[in-house]
Amino acid sequence: GDSVTQMEGPVTLSEEAFLTINCTYTATGYPSLFWYVQYPGEGLQLLLKATKADDKGSNKGFEATYRKETTSFHLEKGSVQVSDSAVYFCALRRTGGGNKLTFGTGTQLKVEL
Amino acid sequence: NAGVTQTPKFQVLKTGQSMTLQCAQDMNHEYMSWYRQDPGMGLRLIHYSVGAGITDQGEVPNGYNVSRSTTEDFPLRLLSAAPSQTSVYFCASSYSKGRTEAFFGQGTRLTVV
Repeated sequence: GDSVTQMEGPVTLSEEAFLTINCTYTATGYPSLFWYVQYPGEGLQLLLKATKADDKGSNKGFEATYRKETTSFHLEKGSVQVSDSAVYFCALRRTGGGNKLTFGTGTQLKVEL
Repeated sequence: NAGVTQTPKFQVLKTGQSMTLQCAQDMNHEYMSWYRQDPGMGLRLIHYSVGAGITDQGEVPNGYNVSRSTTEDFPLRLLSAAPSQTSVYFCASSYSKGRTEAFFGQGTRLTVV
């Protein structure tokens, strides 16, 4: 079945540090890939998405590239801020699988001054 | 624009009690779903609906019932709560067609004692 594997957290960084959160997936066909962010006490919000191979999703300084050859969708940001502290979820939606999302376990990011 | 509204935000139940978690969306989305979020396990799909009158089971449906009498509402019922149902519950909605994003409610934190 479909699965998403994310790097374990928590990840603690200093402000302005470079961020990478790894995400790899297993799915048949060509899934759409997503990064969702959950700020403390809130629901999930879509951060960025990519719907086909080599697409790059970007938003708020975050980027992720859909790499079909390595089945990966790693999240990166060049300079994190304290306000980026949150839990980040990688997810996929399989083509022909309706709108069902398969999530990774989430990675908690804490950014310190 | 309210988006996806969940009520209540917090709830404590005794084992064996029943309750309904409410979810409403005002975006005319066909697809609605319920997830539970548990530490180290990400979000897991409980039940979903592709339109009024149509529901189906997700990954972890046992102990939960749903119905979809209108496009807007998708309540989740716990008939006899168990401590294993202690979790954070999220409702989500999206359009059925096209590669569109899912919108999430703010969550219901349920504790069963």
